[in-house]
Amino acid sequence: GAGVSQSPSNKVTEKGKDVELRCDPISGHTALYWYRQSLGQGLEFLIYFQGNSAPDKSGLPSDRFSAERTGGSVSTLTIQRTQQEDSAVYLCASSSTTPRQGKAFFGQGTRLTVV
Amino acid sequence: DAKTTQPNSMESNEEEPVHLPCNHSTISGTDYIHWYRQLPSQGPEYVIHGLTSNVNNRMASLAIAEDRKSSTLILHRATLRDAAVYYCILLGAGGTSYGKLTFGQGTILTVHP
Repeated sequence: GAGVSQSPSNKVTEKGKDVELRCDPISGHTALYWYRQSLGQGLEFLIYFQGNSAPDKSGLPSDRFSAERTGGSVSTLTIQRTQQEDSAVYLCASSSTTPRQGKAFFGQGTRLTVV
Repeated sequence: DAKTTQPNSMESNEEEPVHLPCNHSTISGTDYIHWYRQLPSQGPEYVIHGLTSNVNNRMASLAIAEDRKSSTLILHRATLRDAAVYYCILLGAGGTSYGKLTFGQGTILTVHP
């Protein structure tokens, strides 16, 4: 497809389980972002991949959260030992880098519910 | 990271122009000014961006102050579909914040029929 694709669209998991969220960015986009948005709240930055540079992980809330980007394309966000406060919509975005172009495209998100 | 300040909320009537302000007094010379909006139950979408000169596209216009310490997003004729949260973001073109898109609280725009 032409857009950013995220899967699954919805995920219900039990507290304490691990989850993996997937993001397929637009082909050729070198920048990839993960955000999360709790109900009624703003977008919270999690992690940012830019080309071959070391990712900016400054937004990851705890060491239970990790993300990788394989081959400069697909990215996986992993949450270990999920907690109820992890319930949110997780959004992925990609862009063709350079702030001069800078237009980021967002996926529809994965709604994570921890019960 | 340079920060932006926006009003929490604004209201408009349908088919009237809307001017959404943003202050960014600590902007650096290489920061680009980007605007995104988030419609209810959707991911954010790009609206417009600029560096120094005013910009126009099919969605909106961006007016940038001469000193670049503030900018205004202009919706020329608001429609009900324009009701959204509007985010003003500074996108760094250098240093550790290169290209990093960080969202603030934004302005909630309500459009009345």
